[in-house]
Amino acid sequence: DTGVSQDPRHKITKRGQNVTFRCDPISEHNRLYWYRQTLGQGPEFLTYFQNEAQLEKSRLLSDRFSAERPKGSFSTLEIQRTEQGDSAMYLCALSLSVSGANVLTFGAGSRLTVL
Amino acid sequence: QQQVKQSPQSLIVQKGGISIINCAYENTAFDYFPWYQQFPGKGPALLIAIRPDVSEKKEGRFTISFNKSAKQFSLHIMDSQPGDSATYFCAASTSGSRLTFGEGTQLTVNP
Repeated sequence: DTGVSQDPRHKITKRGQNVTFRCDPISEHNRLYWYRQTLGQGPEFLTYFQNEAQLEKSRLLSDRFSAERPKGSFSTLEIQRTEQGDSAMYLCALSLSVSGANVLTFGAGSRLTVL
Repeated sequence: QQQVKQSPQSLIVQKGGISIINCAYENTAFDYFPWYQQFPGKGPALLIAIRPDVSEKKEGRFTISFNKSAKQFSLHIMDSQPGDSATYFCAASTSGSRLTFGEGTQLTVNP
């Protein structure tokens, strides 16, 4: 148990459909990150929240992607009009500052397959 | 400027051998260099990390060597075990900022 719960773990959808992923931190963390990981690649930053404020978004996050963290606890990542190129693992991570270092704890991820 | 380049892409080592994975970076503002380990179906998990004010950090069988002038750092796994078979990612960040990850190295340790 990493302290980060992600749901669903797997999602298969048809191109053009909307999908939503949820991240639930088990403990209190100020910062929450979303990363995307494609097969054989390292995680790529998408966006992060400081409490409920979305402070940074990657250029990877097209206008079809939206993320929210309404009460500063759980977060959702929605992809509208999915494309085959959206197939990836979507990882949520919590941040803990240790001596000024940004230590990330990742959830197990939500794997998206777009047919 | 934000890239972290990792090699090799894959590595096969015999049980008991030494596994070495290398990373290089460009951004001299990076001041935190962690290594993450990822097993299939799991998210990456922090393995070990180093700051640029030291040249080496050791935790059990895992050692990070850091060369600030060359802008390179490496992970050494001593006495590699089959249970170490996983994908390893180096990463880097500036103080408190988001992590930038390398492309990953798939390590296989044969029994």
